[in-house]
Amino acid sequence: GIQVEQSPPDLILQEGANSTLRCNFSDSVNNLQWFHQNPWGQLINLFYIPSGTKQNGRLSATTVATERYSLLYISSSQTTDSGVYFCAADTGTASKLTFGTGTRLQVTL
Amino acid sequence: EPEVTQTPSHQVTQMGQEVILRCVPISNHLYFYWYRQILGQKVEFLVSFYNNEISEKSEIFDDQFSVERPDGSNFTLKIRSTKLEDSAMYFCASSGQISGNTIYFGEGSWLTVV
Repeated sequence: GIQVEQSPPDLILQEGANSTLRCNFSDSVNNLQWFHQNPWGQLINLFYIPSGTKQNGRLSATTVATERYSLLYISSSQTTDSGVYFCAADTGTASKLTFGTGTRLQVTL
Repeated sequence: EPEVTQTPSHQVTQMGQEVILRCVPISNHLYFYWYRQILGQKVEFLVSFYNNEISEKSEIFDDQFSVERPDGSNFTLKIRSTKLEDSAMYFCASSGQISGNTIYFGEGSWLTVV
């Protein structure tokens, strides 16, 4: 099956800093999503982005499908951005998302 | 924004007992899923469900597990004879299409087997 790798595994930022999280995947995808898992364990949908670029407030994402990677940009980070960021991808027709191991982000004051 | 809702949010059960986790998917969605996340690990696919039958299941989803859509709104995951290693967060999800569409996740049901 598809392999999904994320980097870095851990990231500590001061409030206001910018960051880039990376997701590499081993096969062509027809679904790629970014999630934020908050400290209560909830999975918050950030982007559905199998290709192209999207922006939502301070967050944006770019997927370069031909090179099999996706990037999540967080600008002007806030303490509420803390948590684990997962990317997940699917290659087939059953929407069986394969999750990466996540990037744990801690934003400090 | 429509959301997937799950109950209970947290359940503690004794080893060997049966557990039913409930989900109400987004109302116009047709495809339903269960995923599992053991503490500190990544989220893993369990099963997908469409048109009242299982579309795909992982190797984790063995005879101990079953899913059902008992009425027009609920989607349930039953775990029989629970084991300690079944302790995990269970996420229900739904989507409007089988492919090329956002999959929306519920807030999760945290199961603790003691």
